[in-house]
Amino acid sequence: DGGITQSPKYLFRKEGQNVTLSCEQNLNHDAMYWYRQDPGQGLRLIYYSQIVNDFQKGDIAEGYSVSREKKESFPLTVTSAQKNPTAFYLCASSIESQYNEQFFGPGTRLTVL
Amino acid sequence: GQQLNQSPQSMFIQEGEDVSMNCTSSSIFNTWLWYKQDPGEGPVLLIALYKAGELTSNGRLTAQFGITRKDSFLNISASIPSDVGIYFCAGHSGANSKLTFGKGITLSVRP
Repeated sequence: DGGITQSPKYLFRKEGQNVTLSCEQNLNHDAMYWYRQDPGQGLRLIYYSQIVNDFQKGDIAEGYSVSREKKESFPLTVTSAQKNPTAFYLCASSIESQYNEQFFGPGTRLTVL
Repeated sequence: GQQLNQSPQSMFIQEGEDVSMNCTSSSIFNTWLWYKQDPGEGPVLLIALYKAGELTSNGRLTAQFGITRKDSFLNISASIPSDVGIYFCAGHSGANSKLTFGKGITLSVRP
């Protein structure tokens, strides 16, 4: 089945450690996105990529890094510089970034202890 | 920056009732999307609207692209318990623009 997968579903890390969240899609979509969701808040864009080997900062990129070496994959690293990393992280993809619908993965809940 | 306004934050209805939600903006949008999110899961796209005045249905769901292009409405008819969740509106305002999301409305359905 075509879709977006994120792993793991739950992730626990100690404060000060970097952690990488996985996002893979087999929809042949060009654009991929990372969002952060906090309770009672909308989705806030962290980074997005419109094409392989290119990505742009979203609204809250500080403390995060990404790579886009393959069309199917867009991993997100939460670094120790991110002050409040505990959140629900959502990956999405779309055919292209203009106008098209974004489809979301199941999310990863990161808890930093 | 652009904002999409959804209110109230929570809605409580009785099973079988219809419910209407709206999403408003101070600026014009070219695309309106409605998503539903179940607890602990990613949002699922319900309806996409691309033209001012467009009215689109998906089962018991009906959404409309406001004629002013500054608002959109989602109606759910004959609600059932599985309609419980958070309903987000989202929109594109132009080419190469990011998708802007509302903060969502949490819907509860009493059996």
